[in-house]
Amino acid sequence: DGGITQSPKYLFRKEGQNVTLSCEQNLNHDAMYWYRQDPGQGLRLIYYSQIVNDFQKGDIAEGYSVSREKKESFPLTVTSAQKNPTAFYLCASSAFTGTIEKLFFGSGTQLSVL
Amino acid sequence: SQQGEEDPQALSIQEGENATMNCSYKTSINNLQWYRQNSGRGLVHLILIRSNEREKHSGRLRVTLDTSKKSSSLLITASRAADTASYFCATPQETSGSRLTFGEGTQLTVNP
Repeated sequence: DGGITQSPKYLFRKEGQNVTLSCEQNLNHDAMYWYRQDPGQGLRLIYYSQIVNDFQKGDIAEGYSVSREKKESFPLTVTSAQKNPTAFYLCASSAFTGTIEKLFFGSGTQLSVL
Repeated sequence: SQQGEEDPQALSIQEGENATMNCSYKTSINNLQWYRQNSGRGLVHLILIRSNEREKHSGRLRVTLDTSKKSSSLLITASRAADTASYFCATPQETSGSRLTFGEGTQLTVNP
């Protein structure tokens, strides 16, 4: 089945630690996105990529880093500089790099701080 | 600031009733999309309405768009307990259509 796979589903971070969230898609989509969702709130864009080896900052990129070495993969690293990382992280993809008409989402990763 | 803002924040109805959610936005848009999110899950695209359309239907969903008022509504008819979820509107950003901005959502509870 085509789709987006996020792993792990739950992740715990110790203070001062970097953690990496995985996102893989087999939809052959060019564009991929990372969103952060806090309880009872909407989604805020962290980073996005429209082509391999290129990515752009979203609205809340500080404390996060990404890479896009393969079309299928767009991992997100939450660095120790992100002081409030507890949130639900959603990866998404889109077939088009122009005006978005539909995003496909993974099932999310819940990150908590120990 | 949020491009899309939903109203109400929470809505509780009985099975069989209709549910109406509203979304307001601030800038010119090319399209407006509605998504659904079950608790602890990813979002699922429901329907897209283009700026030159006034109304669109998909099954039990009816979406309207009023560009003069910069607002949209999502109507779910004959609601079911399985419709319980959060519903978000989203619009492409005016400066970069390749970025979607989401509202804060309406939490819909359908009681059996």
